[in-house]
Amino acid sequence: NAGVTQTPKFRVLKTGQSMTLLCAQDMNHEYMYWYRQDPGMGLRLIHYSVGEGTTAKGEVPDGYNVSRLKKQNFLLGLESAAPSQTSVYFCASSQAGVNEQFFGPGTRLTVL
Amino acid sequence: GESVGLHLPTLSVQEGDNSIINCAYSNSASDYFIWYKQESGKGPQFIIDIRSNMDKRQGQRVTVLLNKTVKHLSLQIAATQPGDSAVYFCAEINSSGGYNKLIFGAGTRLAVHP
Repeated sequence: NAGVTQTPKFRVLKTGQSMTLLCAQDMNHEYMYWYRQDPGMGLRLIHYSVGEGTTAKGEVPDGYNVSRLKKQNFLLGLESAAPSQTSVYFCASSQAGVNEQFFGPGTRLTVL
Repeated sequence: GESVGLHLPTLSVQEGDNSIINCAYSNSASDYFIWYKQESGKGPQFIIDIRSNMDKRQGQRVTVLLNKTVKHLSLQIAATQPGDSAVYFCAEINSSGGYNKLIFGAGTRLAVHP
């Protein structure tokens, strides 16, 4: 089991560029999440999904879009990157109704 | 509003000593409280959780205490080891929105010295 994987690990964008972060899990989890972590702060939820084909907004959704076309994948998109989106992005997954979320290794994104 | 915070941003301990990491929360309606460990360059890793109707729960070398009267949560690590060096986050779970919404605190860095 690879668990939760994220690609890419690092990325540098210019303001206004777009990109997609890919999250994959091989644990057959129903729920998947995207968080961002800024220096000195805890993780904040961007978007989440409770099943294939469904997504919902989290705490800080503005400037991001997501898609869950397949149960094992959860994509996070930035249509027009801004410096305020410089952060480390973590994907997580969990079984429905279970507290434990399994996190990926993170993607460090810098927007210049 | 909902918030989870921490009393101490950093904690330094000697190897072999016990560590206590504290956390304050404000939402009395939270169903569970969770502790996560995050090592440098890695994602958070689940340590232990405690239901809101419990006062204490023990795991392997860790104990979580919940004091609902003062809205305080603590993580005790026995016989702290160098491998315990990490940032520890408390988080609360609120399932009022139909899913387990996880709200993280800012984190406490634990530094274990030989």
